[in-house]
Amino acid sequence: QVHLQESGPRLVKPSETLSLICTVSGDSIIDGAFFWDWIRQPPGKGLEWIGRIHHSGTTYYNASLRSRVTISLDTPQNQFSLRLISVTATDTGVYFCARRSQNSGWFDPWGQGTLVTVSS
Amino acid sequence: DIQMTQSPSSLSASVGDRVTITCRASQGISMYLSWYQKKPGKAPKLIIHGASSLQSGIPSRFSGSGYDTEFSLTINSLQVEDFATYYCQQGYGTPLTFGGGTKVEI
Repeated sequence: QVHLQESGPRLVKPSETLSLICTVSGDSIIDGAFFWDWIRQPPGKGLEWIGRIHHSGTTYYNASLRSRVTISLDTPQNQFSLRLISVTATDTGVYFCARRSQNSGWFDPWGQGTLVTVSS
Repeated sequence: DIQMTQSPSSLSASVGDRVTITCRASQGISMYLSWYQKKPGKAPKLIIHGASSLQSGIPSRFSGSGYDTEFSLTINSLQVEDFATYYCQQGYGTPLTFGGGTKVEI
């Protein structure tokens, strides 16, 4: 059974960098059939796709965040990570990692999510 | 960006009811439509992909239909464990986008 788990600091100061890691078990991130994605949900709002990475290292980001976001792989650890620079309070929310089918675009499974608060 | 509009945003129902949620895409997305169930503090769960394919392990009371721009999720004989928020998501174009959610409550 595939399992994803997010980890990282829960509190980040404004203007600093948000960094999260997603640890994958039960599948290999070099599985070519999938992308590895980050999604977030601000408090009381809907879901926003952040971006994805493929095992080849190619990335694609939501244009709304492209100037501030980096997704990278750590294949020996079977992890992928998210970096979001210059955060503000609007970056507060629950951050999810997920595996996505390349062919059909559905996400399964998802991590449980981690709440990151941007505050001084 | 492809906008996904869900309706209603919330609904009240009882155990045993039949519930239908709709999702409209701002442009054609063929069958690249998925539905997720989300409970507080839990990971979203994939229930329907390809507009109408039931994900493995999901009860058959869930069904999906639609094509292009109009889609629906139906829950037959609502159970206690089905009270949650449901989201649609298009996988046709980037950025991938989600509907605003439908909260199903008692």
